[in-house]
Amino acid sequence: EPEVTQTPSHQVTQMGQEVILRCVPISNHLYFYWYRQILGQKVEFLVSFYNNEISEKSEIFDDQFSVERPDGSNFTLKIRSTKLEDSAMYFCASSRLAGGYTGELFFGEGSRLTVL
Amino acid sequence: DQQVKQNSPSLSVQEGRISILNCDYTNSMFDYFLWYKKYPAEGPTFLISISSIKDKNEDGRFTVFLNKSAKHLSLHIVPSQPGDSAVYFCAAAFLYKYIFGTGTRLKVLA
Repeated sequence: EPEVTQTPSHQVTQMGQEVILRCVPISNHLYFYWYRQILGQKVEFLVSFYNNEISEKSEIFDDQFSVERPDGSNFTLKIRSTKLEDSAMYFCASSRLAGGYTGELFFGEGSRLTVL
Repeated sequence: DQQVKQNSPSLSVQEGRISILNCDYTNSMFDYFLWYKKYPAEGPTFLISISSIKDKNEDGRFTVFLNKSAKHLSLHIVPSQPGDSAVYFCAAAFLYKYIFGTGTRLKVLA
């Protein structure tokens, strides 16, 4: 069964360092997302991406964050200068079509980011 | 701005009984609703969904009900099994955006 894969599963970094989280969405999916979950809290939307550009982003997704699809298969989230409060599980997700149609969103297993 | 709310942070149910998880939303533009199950340190797993043109969708032990006038949806699990113990998130979607509730931790007691 096709699945969304994410690497690394866990990354520990020093505050101020750059981090890149990688995702391989399901191959025939067109919409890509990043969500995050701070321990014990809700799953929060960060950004959606379609046709090689950002469709929508939340208030959390400030100038420190960026996304790209460098090679047609990988979908990456970059945090330029990490802060302590960026520590969270980051989930990549993909869907074939947007909500309102067959819009099931499929998630990866997550990348745990710990900022020290 | 909590557009999707799950007001019960936790729920305990005896094995074999019905589990009812509730979710409320505020934005009438949402047109697709989903339920996800999540275990610790894993990604959310899709369970069942419903379009806004329907009021009920069933898949095995799982049934989702949608009351658009009340902006309320619920997930029924019958019969509940110990393996159903997890955190359940509802989500509401419109166009590109999926908004998740805060989750309800279900514990099914053997």
